[in-house]
Amino acid sequence: GQNIDQPTEMTATEGAIVQINCTYQTSGFNGLFWYQQHAGEAPTFLSYNVLDGLEEKGRFSSFLSRSKGYSYLLLKELQMKDSASYLCAVRDSNYQLIWGAGTKLIIKP
Amino acid sequence: DAGVTQSPTHLIKTRGQQVTLRCSPKSGHDTVSWYQQALGQGPQFIFQYYEEEERQRGNFPDRFSGHQFPNYSSELNVNALLLGDSALYLCASSRSAEAFFGQGTRLTVV
Repeated sequence: GQNIDQPTEMTATEGAIVQINCTYQTSGFNGLFWYQQHAGEAPTFLSYNVLDGLEEKGRFSSFLSRSKGYSYLLLKELQMKDSASYLCAVRDSNYQLIWGAGTKLIIKP
Repeated sequence: DAGVTQSPTHLIKTRGQQVTLRCSPKSGHDTVSWYQQALGQGPQFIFQYYEEEERQRGNFPDRFSGHQFPNYSSELNVNALLLGDSALYLCASSRSAEAFFGQGTRLTVV
């Protein structure tokens, strides 16, 4: 079967750095996505990795290792507004997005 | 650019009824995907439409059907509603890698 694993919940302090991990087992791989979703809202796109390595975009970075079936999302200089769920999704060989259940990130002052 | 728009935003239906949800994709996007998201879960893929045809389908029963129109807008139909169909239904449009989501339709079945 296909599955995406990520921690259910994480807590971090405002101004700090947090790393959210994602491991996946899918039938084929055509890219990995990270989305942010605030409660009651739609997911919004954060990053896309298709090759190994680090992609940096402002305070957010995403890393991919295809051989290990592993990715992480790194959030720096955390702000209260970063409190949200972070969803990892992999596009499989059929170009279908397979989603993790999301990691709820709680930011404390 | 209005982005992806979905209607209605909220809906309450009774078990056994039928419902139609609508989605207008982002300008220039020709592919529409529908997802069901239960509370505290990630989205589950229902199906994807491209050029007015169902291109991919997830593990959902035939009660879930859809349509894509020539202007790329799409509908999701669910027949014989069950309590378990209560969820947030998300529409996403794309042209290449990145998918853009609408705000979703919150369906409650009572």
